Amino acid sequence: EPEVTQTPSHQVTQMGQEVILRCVPISNHLYFYWYRQILGQKVEFLVSFYNNEISEKSEIFDDQFSVERPDGSNFTLKIRSTKLEDSAMYFCASRSTGGVDTQYFGPGTRLTVL
Amino acid sequence: EDQVTQSPEALRLQEGESSSLNCSYTVSGLRGLFWYRQDPGKGPEFLFTLYSAGEEKEKERLKATLTKKESFLHITAPKPEDSATYLCAAVYSSASKIIFGSGTRLSIRP
Repeated sequence: EPEVTQTPSHQVTQMGQEVILRCVPISNHLYFYWYRQILGQKVEFLVSFYNNEISEKSEIFDDQFSVERPDGSNFTLKIRSTKLEDSAMYFCASRSTGGVDTQYFGPGTRLTVL
Repeated sequence: EDQVTQSPEALRLQEGESSSLNCSYTVSGLRGLFWYRQDPGKGPEFLFTLYSAGEEKEKERLKATLTKKESFLHITAPKPEDSATYLCAAVYSSASKIIFGSGTRLSIRP
């Protein structure tokens, strides 16, 4: 069964460093998303992406964040200068087209900022 | 402000003891409601999508129902492997994002 994959599973970085989180969505999906979940809190929407453009973003997704689809299979989230409060699980999700709304989530990347 | 609220926060049941989880929502431009299961340290795993009041979906011991203001996840004769956090999420009419509730942590004792 096709699934969303994410790498790395765990990333440790120093405050102020840049990180790139990688996702490979399900192959025929065209809508892509990033969410985050701070330990013990809700899953929060960050950004949605379609046709090489951001469709919608939350207030969390400020200038420190960017997304890219660098090739036909990868979808990335970049955090330019990490802060302690960026420590969280980051989930990528994808969905198909044709009125099917179901978003399928990857296993997540645990980001720890020291 | 759009909100998705789940209750109870935590629920402990004996194996075989049926119960229901609640999800109430106030979302303008609601397109549909999702239920996901999340195991510790893992990503949400899709269970159901509901679109219309009165709609019901079933999968094994789980049944999801939807009214105009809330959704229920009924679990019948649960087993220990059903222990997880169950998340409710509302999808907007634009389908560009979903907002999640805080989840119900379900624990089934053998």
